[in-house]
Order: sequence, then C-alpha cells, then structure tokens
Amino acid sequence: DIQMTQSPLSLSASVGGSVSITCRTNQSIGYHLNWYQQKPGKAPKLLIFGASNLQSGVPSRFRGSGSGTDFTLTIGSLQPEDFAIYYCQQSYNTLAWTFGQGTKVAFK
Amino acid sequence: DVQLVESGGDYVQTGGSLRLSCAASGFNFKNFEMIWVRQSPGKGLDWISNIDEGGTTMSYADSVKGRFTVSRDNAKRSLYLQMNGLRVEDTAVYYCARVRYSSSLNWFDSWGQGTLVAVSS
Repeated sequence: DIQMTQSPLSLSASVGGSVSITCRTNQSIGYHLNWYQQKPGKAPKLLIFGASNLQSGVPSRFRGSGSGTDFTLTIGSLQPEDFAIYYCQQSYNTLAWTFGQGTKVAFK
Repeated sequence: DVQLVESGGDYVQTGGSLRLSCAASGFNFKNFEMIWVRQSPGKGLDWISNIDEGGTTMSYADSVKGRFTVSRDNAKRSLYLQMNGLRVEDTAVYYCARVRYSSSLNWFDSWGQGTLVAVSS
C-alpha cells in the first residue's frame, strides 16, 4: 500500500492567517492526490482533487499544489469555519486507497 | 442534490454480524462506483471496500477481507456492507461515498453522514 505522511499533525493559527499542510507519499503518485476537510461529528468534505483542482463550491482560499511525492494544501486568510481536520488521500492505487493521518487546524 | 444515507449501525458483540445500507438519491446511482470508508473513534479515515457500477468487481482492505462483503442493488439505488465475524477493532463510524472519475483521476465527491458500529467483547 502507498503510505501517506502528513505534517504537521496539528497546528494553531489565527483568523485571517495562512497555513500550509504537507502530505508526502512513499512512492510517486503523479497528481493523484485529494484533500478533504472534516469537522467534528460530520462526514469528510472534498476540497481539492487531482492535487490542485478546486471542488465546486469550495472557497478559493483553499489551494492545492505538488506532484510526485510531495503535496501541499494551503489555506489563505483563515475563516472561523476552516478550523477542522484535513486529510490527504492518494487515488493512484485504486485497489487500496489510503489516507494521511490528518492535520488538526485549531484556533490560536 | 446528491444524498447518501447510511443505516444499520448498532451495538453488537464480538463474532456478531451486521448489514449496513446506504440509500442513494439525487444522481444516477447505477453509473457510479461506490466505496465504504470507516473511522475508528478519534482516529483517521480508512478505505475498506469498493464496488464497481455493475456490482461485479469488488475490492477489500486486508483488515476486512474474508469477513465483509460489499454489494449493491441498482434498482433500489442502494449499497450494502455485510459484516460478519465482527471484532472490537471494527468499532467505527462507517461512511459510504461516491467515486468520481475524470481522465485518470478519481476522488470521493459525496459522502453519507455515517452510521456507528460498536463491537464489544
């Protein structure tokens, strides 16, 4: 299985600030990387697919970048509703999709 | 609007069985691959199974292979997960989700609200 490593696992930030979350894989996956947001007690929500494509309805302050083994989710101008857990997920190996451990973005 | 609604979660003892259902609406269910993902309490997300549009090709994570069976009824717009030989470590919220494909990319664009399975010894 493709291993996913997110960093940091938690961070704190202020409203209006900017944060970046990194996701690394143990083998090259091209652009086959998706990002999800999950709030407490809720289902995950797709933010970014194909490494950098913004899902319809997702604010443009969310930006995905990267390819190969290194990917980044950047949230610019944090809003109160952005405090959540963010997961990366590889979609390269469709026989064994895998997720990162999750990164908790908390209010500073 | 796309809607996925899971049901069937319950409290069971180890070795027991449960059948989860996922009712789909708002899209042409028979045209989409579907998956099950679970989340143990306080933990991350784990893909456990998927089934193709026609219900002929299924895949399973090693952790559930041989114990869980995924199926679907396109006429009823429903996805199922038969869970046998349940273990304490199967305790989790189980989500169904829709798989979207475009070119060589794929992603999970719609999720249900989840159903809780709690297994005790």
